[in-house]
This record gives sequence, structure tokens and C-alpha cells, in this order.
Amino acid sequence: GQQVMQIPQYQHVQEGEDFTTYCNSSTTLSNIQWYKQRPGGHPVFLIQLVKSGEVKKQKRLTFQFGEAKKNSSLHITATQTTDVGTYFCAGHGTSGSRLTFGEGTQLTVNP
Amino acid sequence: NAGVTQTPKFRILKIGQSMTLQCTQDMNHNYMYWYRQDPGMGLKLIYYSVGAGITDKGEVPNGYNVSRSTTEDFPLRLELAAPSQTSVYFCASMGGQGYEQYFGPGTRLTVT
Repeated sequence: GQQVMQIPQYQHVQEGEDFTTYCNSSTTLSNIQWYKQRPGGHPVFLIQLVKSGEVKKQKRLTFQFGEAKKNSSLHITATQTTDVGTYFCAGHGTSGSRLTFGEGTQLTVNP
Repeated sequence: NAGVTQTPKFRILKIGQSMTLQCTQDMNHNYMYWYRQDPGMGLKLIYYSVGAGITDKGEVPNGYNVSRSTTEDFPLRLELAAPSQTSVYFCASMGGQGYEQYFGPGTRLTVT
């Protein structure tokens, strides 16, 4: 079955440093989504990428979808304490009915 | 809109007891999902439904059952609770194929 791997599992940064998490799928994806889960909270949708090579930005967050539609990355510039949480990538396969989630990257930011 | 609501928020069960986790969404979504999240881990799909009357197994269905008699409700039944079922359970809904999922606040279940 489809597998989605995400690295690193944990990342500790000083406030103001950059952060990147990477996501790789065992199969070609129809789209990739990113979610953020604050400590003690539930996953919240951030963005969806659909096209090969697509790049989208949300303020300090930059999302990329690989040319082969099997990998993706999330980059945060100049982290803030409000960025703390776990970031999950999730991919839809060809059916579009199920999302396969990566294990997540837990980000902590030291002020 | 309330979105996706889940009850209860917390529950402690003894080994062998049964319970039903409730999930309701008011967005008229056809697709609904149950996930479990163990501490520090990702989301594992338990069961999902693509519409009323239709359910299917996910990655970790053993020990659970679901039903989908209406579009709004998707209850998850635990029979004969075991310590391995201690987890946080999230219900989610989705408006269409390939769309984003909306998550409920979760139910924190402990089995002792």
C-alpha cells in the first residue's frame, strides 16, 4: 500500500532560524496536503499542492511539490514561537478517497 | 457551522468494557474518517465512509466497528477494550475526493 515518509521526526530551533521538513511517498500522488497540529490540538489544514513542481507561499511558509509528484517540502523562514507544533504531510492516491499521513515533524522553537 | 464535533472529550475504560465514540458533522460532507493517534506518532486510519450506508476498513480496523446510517453521523464502536487502544481518536470529514479534511477536537481514551 501507499506509504508516506517524513523527516526529520523532531526539530529544535532557535527563534529566527529557518526550518524545513521533507515528505516522500512510495507512489505517485494526485495531490499533497500539509496540516499543522498544535500541542494538545487537532490537525488543521494548511495548504494543498496539485501540480508537478508547484510552489506556494503563505507568508513565511513555502511549500513545494516535486516534479515526479512523489515528494514535497515545507520551509519556514525565520521561525517564531507561534510556529510550534507538529507538521504533517498527507497524500491522496489515485482514488482521492483516502489520505495517507506522514508521521509528522515536531517543531519546537526556543525564544 | 459547528464543523466536526466529537463526544466525549475524555474517557477512561476498564479492560473488556465497550463504548461508542460519537462524531457529527454539519457540513453535508459525504466522506468521513476515524483516525487514532498514539503519543508522538502520526495518524492511523481506522475506518472510513464515502457516504451513508457505505463503510470500509483502513489500516488498523481490528477491535473497532463503525456504522453510517446518516450523512451527519459516523460513530465508532470499541468492543472489549484493550490497553493497546489507549490513544487519541480523531474524526474527520471531507467535502469531495481530493479535498482537505476537517478534524474534530478528538477523544482522549485511556484503557486500564
